[in-house]
Amino acid sequence: QKEVEQNSGPLSVPEGAIASLNCTYSDRGSQSFFWYRQYSGKSPELIMFIYSNGDKEDGRFTAQLNKASQYVSLLIRDSQPSDSATYLCAAIKAAGNKLTFGGGTRVLVKP
Amino acid sequence: GAVVSQHPSRVICKSGTSVKIECRSLDFQATTMFWYRQFPKQSLMLMATSNEGSKATYEQGVEKDKFLINHASLTLSTLTVTSAHPEDSSFYICSAWDGGYTNEQFFGPGTRLTVL
Repeated sequence: QKEVEQNSGPLSVPEGAIASLNCTYSDRGSQSFFWYRQYSGKSPELIMFIYSNGDKEDGRFTAQLNKASQYVSLLIRDSQPSDSATYLCAAIKAAGNKLTFGGGTRVLVKP
Repeated sequence: GAVVSQHPSRVICKSGTSVKIECRSLDFQATTMFWYRQFPKQSLMLMATSNEGSKATYEQGVEKDKFLINHASLTLSTLTVTSAHPEDSSFYICSAWDGGYTNEQFFGPGTRLTVL
């Protein structure tokens, strides 16, 4: 079992719809969770991070964390074609520790 | 925001040669730097963790004598791929942690290595 798991996709959503991405983790020692967006040939860029149970919103993005279920999700509202990318979920045990990445979910937003 | 640069952005070399990739934190001091490798259609895989002034910690399966990491200052880490072969062709990305209370790491733009 991989430490951080994501559906590889592709997740196809129409423009303007909500994209829902899921991530599960196996290590209960994980403290913080990150969502990155990565365009082809580019480095990952941070969308947001979350470390408390519940929801965290930032613009069109909402991250949700449920530590009891070891589950993290990302919602993208009003999806735009420019949101088409691979989304990476990552977990960390403590500040300064290594990030463990999931395999990524490819999202395609169709006009 | 915190900026991390990498140089070069792209490099093509012949099999058997060595290639050095630099990772610099431009506006902060990086207590810890991380080196990742990403093959096409795969996720980032951590290669090693380096702390300034000490030896790097390599992940299982990563050859420390092939991938030499030096973190001589708080703003610079280098990765040298020695005797590169075509299977080393990949996207190499570094990230840096500023030693603060947050867990956020700042990623460099990556270096595309092609070994002929």
